[in-house]
Amino acid sequence: NAGVMQNPRHLVRRRGQEARLRCSPMKGHSHVYWYRQLPEEGLKFMVYLQKENIIDESGMPKERFSAEFPKEGPSILRIQQVVRGDSAAYFCASSEQTYEQYFGPGTRLTVT
Amino acid sequence: AQRVTQPEKLLSVFKGAPVELKCNYSYSGSPELFWYVQYSRQRLQLLLRHISRESIKGFTADLNKGETSFHLKKPFAQEEDSAMYYCALSGGGGADGLTFGKGTHLIIQP
Repeated sequence: NAGVMQNPRHLVRRRGQEARLRCSPMKGHSHVYWYRQLPEEGLKFMVYLQKENIIDESGMPKERFSAEFPKEGPSILRIQQVVRGDSAAYFCASSEQTYEQYFGPGTRLTVT
Repeated sequence: AQRVTQPEKLLSVFKGAPVELKCNYSYSGSPELFWYVQYSRQRLQLLLRHISRESIKGFTADLNKGETSFHLKKPFAQEEDSAMYYCALSGGGGADGLTFGKGTHLIIQP
């Protein structure tokens, strides 16, 4: 089992562009979580998804951010019209039912 | 609102000395508490969770509901313990997103 995969590992976008971050959960895991880590901060919960459903998006900014976890394929975190304040490390975690969350290596987004 | 506080940004101890990483939380119900560790160039991984009541790599943590604390302890530090340590809280039995502290960078000096 390769573990949680995230790509790209590094992403550079200009202000106003769109950023798409992908997360492939561990085999057999149907729960996906997205977190954001700003410099010098801890991880902040953004959204919790199960296959084709958003369970909890209480940590998602109201605008420009969206997430999906389709029946087939990876989970996608999409940021439209990126701004400098979106620069951060974005981590995905997956779990089997309600047990331990396994984390991916993260995607470092830099907005120039 | 739930909150996790790790008061020490950096903790440096000598090899063989005892280690205690502090974690305090704020939550109105019965939380589940975790310690996660991130070694250099590795991904974040679970170290231990309070309901397991187990010792991992010599580390233990006891949930003190009266003091709302979940401090991580190890009697004798080893150089390979150097890492970032994050305390985290779940209010949904592990089924919801975790609330993390800002982390403590533990450095073990030889």
